[in-house]
Amino acid sequence: QKEVEQNSGPLSVPEGAIASLNCTYSDRGSQSFFWYRQYSGKSPELIMFIYSNGDKEDGRFTAQLNKASQYVSLLIRDSQPSDSATYLCAVSDTGRRALTFGSGTRLQVQP
Amino acid sequence: DTGVSQDPRHKITKRGQNVTFRCDPISEHNRLYWYRQTLGQGPEFLTYFQNEAQLEKSRLLSDRFSAERPKGSFSTLEIQRTEQGDSAMYLCASSPGDSVREQYFGPGTRLTVT
Repeated sequence: QKEVEQNSGPLSVPEGAIASLNCTYSDRGSQSFFWYRQYSGKSPELIMFIYSNGDKEDGRFTAQLNKASQYVSLLIRDSQPSDSATYLCAVSDTGRRALTFGSGTRLQVQP
Repeated sequence: DTGVSQDPRHKITKRGQNVTFRCDPISEHNRLYWYRQTLGQGPEFLTYFQNEAQLEKSRLLSDRFSAERPKGSFSTLEIQRTEQGDSAMYLCASSPGDSVREQYFGPGTRLTVT
């Protein structure tokens, strides 16, 4: 059973702070890693993807991948109240392509 | 709007009835995925198509569920003899395929079985 684990939260940070969201996965064959943001009652929105070890930055978002530790994280700099949402980590292997999701971490950014 | 579209957005049905959902992927995306999401959980994979071929089905997809993508464009997901446990958000996603692995989700169809 392939598993993706996330702390359910809520993770509460003050406005302007860095939010750090973490995810671990069990399948060493995983090759592709994704972060989705989901507002209550809405569908997931892709915000970052990473395929290689290291860091990948896009605006206020940085994804970090460590395949040896089977760990992927998302950093949100200068957090805004509009970032308050559930963040879903998803992984897939090269052959299968279907995504396996964690249960998500709820982030609350306090004004 | 050139994103993934789904219809209907909401469906309320009585237990035992059949329902059908439609998904229109982003134009020229050859991979199409169906997922189901219940409250407090991440989406769970149901099935996926590459063009018109259904390449994988999850064990979650019981024999009451069937999906088609007849011309490699839109897809339908049918649930026969609905049960209360089928109540969930049904999400469709599409991907360009080949070396592009990112999946983009539609707005979802929320099913309530009474």
